[in-house]
Amino acid sequence: GQQVMQIPQYQHVQEGEDFTTYCNSSTTLSNIQWYKQRPGGHPVFLIQLVKSGEVKKQKRLTFQFGEAKKNSSLHITATQTTDVGTYFCAEPSGGSNYKLTFGKGTLLTVNP
Amino acid sequence: NAGVTQTPKFQVLKTGQSMTLQCAQDMNHEYMSWYRQDPGMGLRLIHYSVGAGITDQGEVPNGYNVSRSTTEDFPLRLLSAAPSQTSVYFCASSYGGHGYTFGSGTRLTVV
Repeated sequence: GQQVMQIPQYQHVQEGEDFTTYCNSSTTLSNIQWYKQRPGGHPVFLIQLVKSGEVKKQKRLTFQFGEAKKNSSLHITATQTTDVGTYFCAEPSGGSNYKLTFGKGTLLTVNP
Repeated sequence: NAGVTQTPKFQVLKTGQSMTLQCAQDMNHEYMSWYRQDPGMGLRLIHYSVGAGITDQGEVPNGYNVSRSTTEDFPLRLLSAAPSQTSVYFCASSYGGHGYTFGSGTRLTVV
């Protein structure tokens, strides 16, 4: 079945360091979505990327969609303790947004 | 707006018992989904709905039923609980699939 691979599984950084998580798909995607889940919380939608090569920024977070629309990345500049959580990418199954397949997520921990 | 409301927040069941997890949204979203989250497995889609009266199976539907009689409500029924169904269950809704709003989850333990 369709699968989205997300790496790394875990990342521990010192506060102030940068962080990047990557998602790779075996198929060309119509779009990709990113979510953040704080420990003990629920996933919260961050952004959706649609266009080939798209780059979007939200304060210290930079999201990229690959030219071939098969991969995506989330980069956090100068991490803060508030960035702690699991970051998930999600892709529509069969091109349908009503069936999202989530990656297994990257757990980010930040040492103050 | 309350967003997506899930009840109960916690539940302990005995093997073989049945129960319904409730989910309601007040955003007039047509898409609604149920996910389960297990350690190391990410979020897996159980069932989804694209509108009232329309439901379909996701990746892990066995042991679960859903119905969608109204736009607002999307209950998930466990027919005969098994220890393998111990998990955290999330309901989510979306307008057009462009970003889902998740409920706060139900932590279910089956003993």
